[in-house]
Amino acid sequence: AQSVTQLDSQVPVFEEAPVELRCNYSSSVSVYLFWYVQYPNQGLQLLLKYLSGSTLVKGINGFEAEFNKSQTSFHLRKPSVHISDTAEYFCAAQTGANNLFFGTGTRLTVIP
Amino acid sequence: GAVVSQHPSWVICKSGTSVKIECRSLDFQATTMFWYRQFPKQSLMLMATSNEGSKATYEQGVEKDKFLINHASLTLSTLTVTSAHPEDSSFYICSARELGAETQYFGPGTRLLVL
Repeated sequence: AQSVTQLDSQVPVFEEAPVELRCNYSSSVSVYLFWYVQYPNQGLQLLLKYLSGSTLVKGINGFEAEFNKSQTSFHLRKPSVHISDTAEYFCAAQTGANNLFFGTGTRLTVIP
Repeated sequence: GAVVSQHPSWVICKSGTSVKIECRSLDFQATTMFWYRQFPKQSLMLMATSNEGSKATYEQGVEKDKFLINHASLTLSTLTVTSAHPEDSSFYICSARELGAETQYFGPGTRLLVL
């Protein structure tokens, strides 16, 4: 069975500081991994995805994530955050053409 | 590209009435569409998966007679909440995926408030 764990429910960080949002997954087969961002009262926007190939994936808004198979992790990073990055971030996993499994989300709050 | 729209963006209705929510893929053909429900400060819960021209597959615990899903075309799926009650108040989000693709693209969501 698949599962996605986001250990940090809330992450406060000062503006222009770096941030890492953690995501771990469990699956007995190969997975595709995604990070989505949700701004208040909006749907989800795809930040980046890992399907295969290079384990370092770059996404929109300066975010990147690294797939680590041995640690079953797919942590999201940004070297310098902006106020506008304040949002809810969801990690998700999918096997093949099956459904997405979402983590419980991490609320990133950027402090001026 | 890969834009998904939902209509309406919010709706308030009386208890006992039915509400229809539309989900459209604007620039691609969505062979599969998904409907999610999200409670405040929680993650998304998959309600059902629909393939164009087929009956929807509902997740365990989701009443198919209460949440009617129709996916009659490659660009449109509808979710009808029948005889809505206050406990059905929630944020409903759809997503769409092309045939053979791995990525789901999400709509902006519909906030339903049942009084």
